[in-house]
Amino acid sequence: DTAVSQTPKYLVTQMGNDKSIKCEQNLGHDTMYWYKQDSKKFLKIMFSYNNKELIINETVPNRFSPKSPDKAHLNLHINSLELGDSAVYFCASSQDPVDTQYFGPGTRLTVL
Amino acid sequence: GENVEQHPSTLSVQEGDSAVIKCTYSDSASNYFPWYKQELGKRPQLIIDIRSNVGEKKDQRIAVTLNKTAKHFSLHITETQPEDSAVYFCAASRRNNNAGNMLTFGGGTRLMVKP
Repeated sequence: DTAVSQTPKYLVTQMGNDKSIKCEQNLGHDTMYWYKQDSKKFLKIMFSYNNKELIINETVPNRFSPKSPDKAHLNLHINSLELGDSAVYFCASSQDPVDTQYFGPGTRLTVL
Repeated sequence: GENVEQHPSTLSVQEGDSAVIKCTYSDSASNYFPWYKQELGKRPQLIIDIRSNVGEKKDQRIAVTLNKTAKHFSLHITETQPEDSAVYFCAASRRNNNAGNMLTFGGGTRLMVKP
């Protein structure tokens, strides 16, 4: 009965590699998001994707690119990984703008 | 853009006492204020939310108050229990051109309830 799922749960990789994190929601929601939570637990929005419209947080490096093959999926691709990219990445979804967001379990990314 | 400040960053209370966490926001157009609880190693989960058309909302031991004039809102937990120990996040958002609500989170409060 998983509502928002992410894979993988853990990702350990070398600097300079390219990696992807997948997210799927079975709630029928229209909007999906990616958040980054750093070691100090700060939660920051990276992207919002609603009805094929992508809103990008301007502070996010263009090495990060979200891809949405359909309404139920929002994947995150990261190029040329850097040490500072190490964090927990959360996917989330909501039914409607200004509505409750449901978070996935998170993906802990460690860049060595 | 929106800026949300949250205080205190850590809060330690004795079991049975009350805990209060406060947040301020900067964007007067914000109209949705959720609170999330994140246990260690888990995902953030919504515990209560309030919209700008009400000043207070209560759910059992948890209540949230909103002062739109002063642009601050607070979480109140009464009769705290050890399982309330977690990091709590406030957030604020407003509708943004049909592209979903861009939640801006506060910095989090680590609540520790001592048995």
